[in-house]
Amino acid sequence: SQTIHQWPATLVQPVGSPLSLECTVEGTSNPNLYWYRQAAGRGLQLLFYSVGIGQISSEVPQNLSASRPQDRQFILSSKKLLLSDSGFYLCAWSVPGPSGNTIYFGEGSWLTVV
Amino acid sequence: AQSVTQPDIHITVSEGASLELRCNYSYGATPYLFWYVQSPGQGLQLLLKYFSGDTLVQGIKGFEAEFKRSQSSFNLRKPSVHWSDAAEYFCAVSSGAGSYQLTFGKGTKLSVIP
Repeated sequence: SQTIHQWPATLVQPVGSPLSLECTVEGTSNPNLYWYRQAAGRGLQLLFYSVGIGQISSEVPQNLSASRPQDRQFILSSKKLLLSDSGFYLCAWSVPGPSGNTIYFGEGSWLTVV
Repeated sequence: AQSVTQPDIHITVSEGASLELRCNYSYGATPYLFWYVQSPGQGLQLLLKYFSGDTLVQGIKGFEAEFKRSQSSFNLRKPSVHWSDAAEYFCAVSSGAGSYQLTFGKGTKLSVIP
C-alpha cells in the first residue's frame, strides 16, 4: 500500500532563516505531488503541485519554492522566512485514474516563524 | 470557479446522537466531492468520495454522505457519534478526473459530549 512521509513534524525558525520541508511517497510510481498550507481559520491553500520530476506549478506567489528531484520526493523551501509563513504545511499525493484524482495527505509539519 | 461552503463552523453533539454536517458546493458540471477528517495536529484522512453513480456513498468509520444535485449539497452523516469522532471535517470539490485543484470548505469542528 502507499504511504507518505513528511518531516520534520515541528520546527521553530527565526525570521530570515531558510526552510526545507521534505516529503516522500512510497508504494506508487509517478504520483502527482502537492504542498498545501493550512493557516488558522483559513482552510487549506494549495501552494504547489507537480506532475513529474522537475515539473512544478505554483498556485500562489510567495517567497516559498518547491522542487521535485526524484519521482517520489517533494521539497518545500524558502531562502528567507517571513512571520506570515507560519502555519501547518501538508504534503499530499494522488494518482489520477478513471475514478478521479483522489488526493491523500501526509501528517503535516508545524512551522512557527519567530 | 468552484467553491465549497460549510455553513457550520462548530457543532456539538452528545455521544450516541446522530450527526449531519452540511456542505454546499458551487460548480457548473458534475463535481467530484470528498469529505476529509482532521484530528488536532494531524494530517487529513479521506472519509469518502463521490464521483458518479449511487448518490449515497459509504465511507470509513461508519460515515456516509448523500449527493443531491438539486440542492448542490453533499452532507455527511453518521447515525451514532463516538467520542473519537471529535475532529474537524472538511468538504472538498474537484472539477474532474484530471483536475489538480481541490477546493476545500473552511471546515466544521465537531465536539462530542460524553
